[in-house]
Amino acid sequence: ILNVEQSPQSLHVQEGDSTNFTCSFPSSNFYALHWYRWETAKSPEALFVMTLNGDEKKKGRISATLNTKEGYSYLYIKGSQPEDSATYLCAPGSSNTGKLIFGQGTTLQVKP
Amino acid sequence: GAGVSQTPSNKVTEKGKYVELRCDPISGHTALYWYRQSLGQGPEFLIYFQGTGAADDSGLPNDRFFAVRPEGSVSTLKIQRTERGDSAVYLCASSPNGGVSSYEQYFGPGTRLTVT
Repeated sequence: ILNVEQSPQSLHVQEGDSTNFTCSFPSSNFYALHWYRWETAKSPEALFVMTLNGDEKKKGRISATLNTKEGYSYLYIKGSQPEDSATYLCAPGSSNTGKLIFGQGTTLQVKP
Repeated sequence: GAGVSQTPSNKVTEKGKYVELRCDPISGHTALYWYRQSLGQGPEFLIYFQGTGAADDSGLPNDRFFAVRPEGSVSTLKIQRTERGDSAVYLCASSPNGGVSSYEQYFGPGTRLTVT
């Protein structure tokens, strides 16, 4: 059973601030790492799927890095906007079924 | 195109009752996953279907929980003799191919189940 930890649990920032979150997971038997954004009353939205050590992915103001050897991933948001307010979830994928093991999430609140 | 849909969006039921939660995946997606999210936690895996068969049901908490996908598209999660601890958001996700963790999963908006 994978143990996935996300920090911080919650974060309050001002509009325009840049921020980052951490996801740590067991480095053995790694297959893929997913990041999702989940806004209240909406479906979780996929941000990134990362598979290779050293992977860096970017979507607009959001980017992520992956270190599979030490078992962590960072998610960065540059110039946070109120619409970035959501819970950000990371989830390593299982080897043979693709099931995701989620961390508890980081809840971001961006104040205008 | 249409995304994953789930019905109902909210369900309130009394302890001991039976409930069914429905998931309509994206057309053509062979893999379907059920997760549930309890307050303050991340989503927790329940069951994975590849086509019509349950390929991994290791996450079902006990025998009160059962899920079917008889034609390989729509899935129903069934909970018997509901308990207050079953209260959670039940999420469904589909994927073009299952069994590969590098494929993106597309989530529905969830069903919020409240057991009183």
